[in-house]
Amino acid sequence: DVKVTQSSRYLVKRTGEKVFLECVQDMDHENMFWYRQDPGLGLRLIYFSYDVKMKEKGDIPEGYSVSREKKERFSLILESASTNQTSMYLCASSSPPRQFRYNEQFFGPGTRLTVL
Amino acid sequence: AQKVTQAQTEISVVEKEDVTLDCVYETRDTTYYLFWYKQPPSGELVFLIRRNSFDEQNEISGRYSWNFQKSTSSFNFTITASQVVDSAVYFCALSEARTGGFKTIFGAGTRLFVKA
Repeated sequence: DVKVTQSSRYLVKRTGEKVFLECVQDMDHENMFWYRQDPGLGLRLIYFSYDVKMKEKGDIPEGYSVSREKKERFSLILESASTNQTSMYLCASSSPPRQFRYNEQFFGPGTRLTVL
Repeated sequence: AQKVTQAQTEISVVEKEDVTLDCVYETRDTTYYLFWYKQPPSGELVFLIRRNSFDEQNEISGRYSWNFQKSTSSFNFTITASQVVDSAVYFCALSEARTGGFKTIFGAGTRLFVKA
């Protein structure tokens, strides 16, 4: 079974703090993703990575950065947390897409971050 | 612009009722994939089905069935004889060839309540 784990289920931070969200997958997937989930907006892609040390911006990268030093680990960093970053953060991984097969993503349980 | 529209924000049914979750998508690509995911209260999204743009066959898996119609850009999901365990948020998603299959666009989700 694919397992995607996230370092915390719940996190409370103060405005201006640096926040690290960690994600680890154990299926040797090349692709990893960070989303935030907000009511009425679905999942929005923050960043994704298709290989170690490679990253691409998603639809809402402002205020975030990422790090992928090892294949199994993908970190999301909030350099200076703000209240509008209060959200549910979901990590996912997948095999790379092939010409006739776009693969499903496997998700972690999410981290509910509250910034006060 | 929203490319995946799930117009039903919340649906409430009584156990054993049939329920259909609507999904309408928009894309200019001829090659794309559509997905449905389920997010139970535990928070972890679970993959349900993938369908590529060249395969309009409907699919049935137990109590679940999916109706893909390119003519109306819809990919609807029906649960027959609903059960309390079907209570969850359901997301429809689109992955387009122009992004190489790397980026998946999610709808806002439909929250399904199944009452005993």
